[in-house]
Amino acid sequence: DTEVTQTPKHLVMGMTNKKSLKCEQHMGHRAMYWYKQKAKKPPELMFVYSYEKLSINESVPSRFSPECPNSSLLNLHLHALQPEDSALYLCASSQVSNRLSSEAFFGQGTRLTVV
Amino acid sequence: TQLLEQSPQFLSIQEGENLTVYCNSSSVFSSLQWYRQEPGEGPVLLVTVVTGGEVKKLKRLTFQFGDARKDSSLHITAAQTGDTGLYLCAGARSSGTYKYIFGTGTRLKVLA
Repeated sequence: DTEVTQTPKHLVMGMTNKKSLKCEQHMGHRAMYWYKQKAKKPPELMFVYSYEKLSINESVPSRFSPECPNSSLLNLHLHALQPEDSALYLCASSQVSNRLSSEAFFGQGTRLTVV
Repeated sequence: TQLLEQSPQFLSIQEGENLTVYCNSSSVFSSLQWYRQEPGEGPVLLVTVVTGGEVKKLKRLTFQFGDARKDSSLHITAAQTGDTGLYLCAGARSSGTYKYIFGTGTRLKVLA
């Protein structure tokens, strides 16, 4: 099973709303990631969690707040977003540091539109 | 700064033709992944290459990792319309935790 499940698939939110994106994996991976992908661009790394602790924050604005409640779940809390934050948000997971199994598996993404 | 450059950016070919996509960097990576992505969907892992000089085959797709682990190529033989999509390479860099840096992407269209 190499499945990473993201919900919801689509989300439309106003600039004053608070919403959350959810991600779940059951591969026993202890590293989980959030990426943002704008149209016709490659995914860009936002956050990395390792053993449920935030290990990398790529200078992401504080209106994006990640949370890793346990080893299978990753959330991204959204508040006071701007229209330019509209994008496909991708979750991924991988082994923490095993070079021979160093691939990341991605979810289907959440298409976020900020109005 | 984009660490991984892919070429070509766009490619439109006829069914049955062969093609090669390149992924180049000045940095060394622990491993390199190739993904294919459909519009509005997440990237789907095709292959991981780990060892310098490694060659992996997946049906009509052949992947190679450069000897110095800085570059890679994807060769498709006898392309089919189902190969249409965005091809992304991603290099894994480790500083305790892996960080996956994506290439600029190659958009392939195979015409019937």
